[in-house]
Amino acid sequence: TQLLEQSPQFLSIQEGENLTVYCNSSSVFSSLQWYRQEPGEGPVLLVTVVTGGEVKKLKRLTFQFGDARKDSSLHITAAQPGDTGLYLCAAPRRGSARQLTFGSGTQLTVLP
Amino acid sequence: GAVVSQHPSRVICKSGTSVKIECRSLDFQATTMFWYRQFPKKSLMLMATSNEGSKATYEQGVEKDKFLINHASLTLSTLTVTSAHPEDSSFYICSALRVGRTEAFFGQGTRLTVV
Repeated sequence: TQLLEQSPQFLSIQEGENLTVYCNSSSVFSSLQWYRQEPGEGPVLLVTVVTGGEVKKLKRLTFQFGDARKDSSLHITAAQPGDTGLYLCAAPRRGSARQLTFGSGTQLTVLP
Repeated sequence: GAVVSQHPSRVICKSGTSVKIECRSLDFQATTMFWYRQFPKKSLMLMATSNEGSKATYEQGVEKDKFLINHASLTLSTLTVTSAHPEDSSFYICSALRVGRTEAFFGQGTRLTVV
């Protein structure tokens, strides 16, 4: 069974602080996606990483795919209240690239 | 960008009744759509994979007779929760896979409350 473990599960920080969210697995993935979900809404895709060691930046968000393609991290610089949400990593399920396995999620709250 | 619309966004129904949730891809064709269930502050759990023109594939533990899925066209999939009970109350989300692409787009979700 492919499991994507995210840590921390909950994170509450002050505006302006930096933070890192981790997504770990014992499985190797062909690609990995990060989503942000706000209450009462569906997840919105932030980024897809496909190459081991790849780093992608989206404004204040930096995403990294591990060299062995088993883990990933999301770093947010100078967090803002608008960054509040549930962050989910997801990867194609083994044997069915169309289906996604989602991580356990990290609930981020940025206080003004 | 690709848009997936779910309807209704919220629904309250009485125990024992059935509820239909629609998932539409507005500006692209989707041969495959997915239905997820999500509990508060938890991750998404895949319930079933809906294929246009064929029977849906259900995940282990999901009752296919209770959660009826129909994918009659390339832009519409429906999930019907039959004989709903309070334990079926949840947030249901669909996603649609664009033909020829690997990226799935999510609907805004449906909050179902069974009273």
